[in-house]
Amino acid sequence: AQSVTQLDSHVSVSEGTPVLLRCNYSSSYSPSLFWYVQHPNKGLQLLLKYTSAATLVKGINGFEAEFKKSETSFHLTKPSAHMSDAAEYFCVVSDTSGTYKYIFGTGTRLKVLA
Amino acid sequence: DTGVSQDPRHKITKRGQNVTFRCDPISEHNRLYWYRQTLGQGPEFLTYFQNEAQLEKSRLLSDRFSAERPKGSFSTLEIQRTEQGDSAMYLCASIPSSSQGGYTFGSGTRLTVV
Repeated sequence: AQSVTQLDSHVSVSEGTPVLLRCNYSSSYSPSLFWYVQHPNKGLQLLLKYTSAATLVKGINGFEAEFKKSETSFHLTKPSAHMSDAAEYFCVVSDTSGTYKYIFGTGTRLKVLA
Repeated sequence: DTGVSQDPRHKITKRGQNVTFRCDPISEHNRLYWYRQTLGQGPEFLTYFQNEAQLEKSRLLSDRFSAERPKGSFSTLEIQRTEQGDSAMYLCASIPSSSQGGYTFGSGTRLTVV
């Protein structure tokens, strides 16, 4: 069975400094992995996805993530945080049985300090 | 096409009442998913449809919950005899059946049972 673990429930960074949100996954098969962002009272927006192509995945708003099979990790990074990045971030693994059902992590709340 | 639409955005109901939510997916998307998100948690899978066929239901979906997708277009999620524990954000998402890419989520329906 697939699962994801988001290692930090809260992360605080200063504006202009790098962002690192950590995610480890467990999957019996080659996984499809995603990062979604959720702003308060808003729906989930896809930031980026890994589906067995390039291991370094670039997403929207300057975010990127690197798939590391040996470490079973898919950490999300951004070189320079912006105030508008403050939100909840979810790491997701997709069921590979054909249902494309998502298994979500518990989320990381990113706070950006001025 | 304006994406996935959910109605209503907010619903407050008294315990024991029935409620129904509607989801209109992106028109060419064959697969439609329902998720439930409680405060401070990641979304959890409830059920999904391939066209009009309901192919999987989570054990979270008690017999008070029913979902339909007549004619493979919009979907409804009904909760009968609501309980306070049903208070949550109900999210709908859709995806083309052939895609491994990310879902498009609606903005959700926030249910509060008082």
